[in-house]
Amino acid sequence: VQLVQSGTEMKKPGASVKVSCQTSGYTFTAYYVQWVRQAPGQGLEWVGWFNPNSDGTRLAPKFQDRVTLTGDTSIRTAFMEMRSLRSDDAATYFCARSEGDTTMLDSWGPGTLLTVSS
Amino acid sequence: DIVMTQSPLSLPVSPGETASISCRASQSLLHTSGYSFVDWYVQKAGQSPQLLIYMGSNRASGAPVKISGSGSGTDFTLTISRVEAEDVGVYFCMQALQTPLTFGGGTKVEIK
Repeated sequence: VQLVQSGTEMKKPGASVKVSCQTSGYTFTAYYVQWVRQAPGQGLEWVGWFNPNSDGTRLAPKFQDRVTLTGDTSIRTAFMEMRSLRSDDAATYFCARSEGDTTMLDSWGPGTLLTVSS
Repeated sequence: DIVMTQSPLSLPVSPGETASISCRASQSLLHTSGYSFVDWYVQKAGQSPQLLIYMGSNRASGAPVKISGSGSGTDFTLTISRVEAEDVGVYFCMQALQTPLTFGGGTKVEIK
């Protein structure tokens, strides 16, 4: 099982970013893709999940108006798009695999570092 | 949202000793299945988190046998026996009972 994420992103406040999570080694549609972020030196914060089997999503309330989670089964890849970036969105964004919407995150990507600065 | 409170924040441990980390949930994590939906992760320097324990006490594939999880309801403990240098890292609990998934603040385990 492997989750490979896109590289470091540097954005200005107000811009958008789209992070990818390419998976391999398992059936993409059989597992949810969870997104978790970690601000520098801080703890872990759940962003939401994407279900590749149904294209369903669920987001933490604070992200509902700015984040879109999608996927492309043909390339086994999940995406997280965040709009109207603010300085406090600067963090490492991880994707992770889970069997269900609220089950253990058993494999994680290496993370994508997002910096937001004018 | 379910609040997860971990203690201590920092845990210096002598080699060979046992480390215990506590995690308390703001409400019961007991699922109708009978399992408590709490997981434990470790994040080593420069790495992504990795799963150690799921549903309270089940060791994940590849997790060392010396790591164990216990507890039920709202109070949970992660125990690391015979601590050695490779156990250094930040340990997080996470509740998987409902969304939003929420994490404890983390416990930094270091060698004395």
